[in-house]
Amino acid sequence: QVQLQESGPGLVKPSETLSLTCSVSPDSIRSQYVTWIRQSPGKGLEVIGYIHNSGSTYYNPSLKSRALILLDMSKNRLSLHLKSVTAADTAVYYCAGGAGNFDPWGQGTLVTVSS
Amino acid sequence: EIVLDQSPATLSLSPGERATLSCRASQSVDTFLAWYQQKAGQAPRLLIYDASNRATGIPARFSGSGSGTDFTLTISGLEAEDSAVYYCQQRRNWLTFGGGTKVEI
Repeated sequence: QVQLQESGPGLVKPSETLSLTCSVSPDSIRSQYVTWIRQSPGKGLEVIGYIHNSGSTYYNPSLKSRALILLDMSKNRLSLHLKSVTAADTAVYYCAGGAGNFDPWGQGTLVTVSS
Repeated sequence: EIVLDQSPATLSLSPGERATLSCRASQSVDTFLAWYQQKAGQAPRLLIYDASNRATGIPARFSGSGSGTDFTLTISGLEAEDSAVYYCQQRRNWLTFGGGTKVEI
């Protein structure tokens, strides 16, 4: 079964860009979508957006174009970039397989936005 | 945005009992509803998709039902390992999650 693992800095300063990577193993992501989801005490579980192996992306309108998801198929990984972060973006960030039902999930990575 | 309201917020039961969790949508989601289990310190895990289909490897004691705006997750014969927070999620109109129900055993 495909496994996913998130990585990236655990601390980001306000107004800067949050950048995370999701590595997919053991096979490539040629056959599925991958979605970024975050979880915070205040907002619960929130879908950020997802990407298809064609490179097509779909984003949560509430993020007001701050999010960008990119795909690097040669390295079996994708990235999330969230610009102009505030304390409200503090959350555990997950990548998950699929774009409607999410399975499997990575273990998640905590990102704190603070100066 | 479709809002999912889960009730109760917390459910305290004994091993062997049956748990009935509710998820109500602010508008119809047909049967495009999934359920997830999240244990402490772990990522969520898909239990049920399309309202009533168990995901791979999910025990038969987990079952889902409903359509339109009202859905139920039933856990029959509760086991200690079922202690977790359970979330519903819809994919009818974008993708949103409910606030969760905590099951204590």
